[in-house]
Amino acid sequence: QVQLVQSGAEVKKPGASVKVSCKASGYTFTSYDINWVRQATGQGLEWMGWMNPNSGNTGYAQKFQGRVTMTRNTSISTAYMELSSLRSEDTAVYYCARDLGGMTSWGQGTLVTVSS
Amino acid sequence: DIQMTQSPSSLSASVGDRVTITCQASQDISNYLNWYQQKPGKAPKLLIYDASNLETGVPSRFSGSGSGTDFTFTISSLQPEDIATYYCQQYDNLLRPTFGGGTKVEIK
Repeated sequence: QVQLVQSGAEVKKPGASVKVSCKASGYTFTSYDINWVRQATGQGLEWMGWMNPNSGNTGYAQKFQGRVTMTRNTSISTAYMELSSLRSEDTAVYYCARDLGGMTSWGQGTLVTVSS
Repeated sequence: DIQMTQSPSSLSASVGDRVTITCQASQDISNYLNWYQQKPGKAPKLLIYDASNLETGVPSRFSGSGSGTDFTFTISSLQPEDIATYYCQQYDNLLRPTFGGGTKVEIK
């Protein structure tokens, strides 16, 4: 079955960077796009961007342009999302999700806490 | 970006009640509209795609309708396991999806 398994929780200081991984299994990794979506505590879902694992092409929400980088390692079927210049407002659960359009499979989420 | 206005933000209903949630797009999105269910502490789950199509394995008490700018999500008979927050999501611009603000559904 399709599975997306994310890396564990992170605690970072303001100004630092965080890199979250998303390991795919149960399907051909390069055949489906990956989105990244975040959710602050008690808040709604916020789309951050997408990546095509085959080409490496990416597209980012304007809000995160210049601070987010999405990459992949096809040899280990893993996608990555790196967010830099962290601030307290970036404290959230970060999800990877497969497919453009309807996001059919999701990772379990990674809590990133930004605190001094 | 296309804005999605979802209402109500929360509702309380009894088991067996019919529950309706609406989502309005800031511009015509045809039927490029999905609905998700998110239970506390869990990732969202796709329930309805392309406005009215039920994802495989989703109970038939869930349904969706609409096109253009106005969409409706319905639970025909609310069950205790349906307690969750529901989100609409547009993908008219496939590379710029946006979510509605969510509707928290509780049992009265």
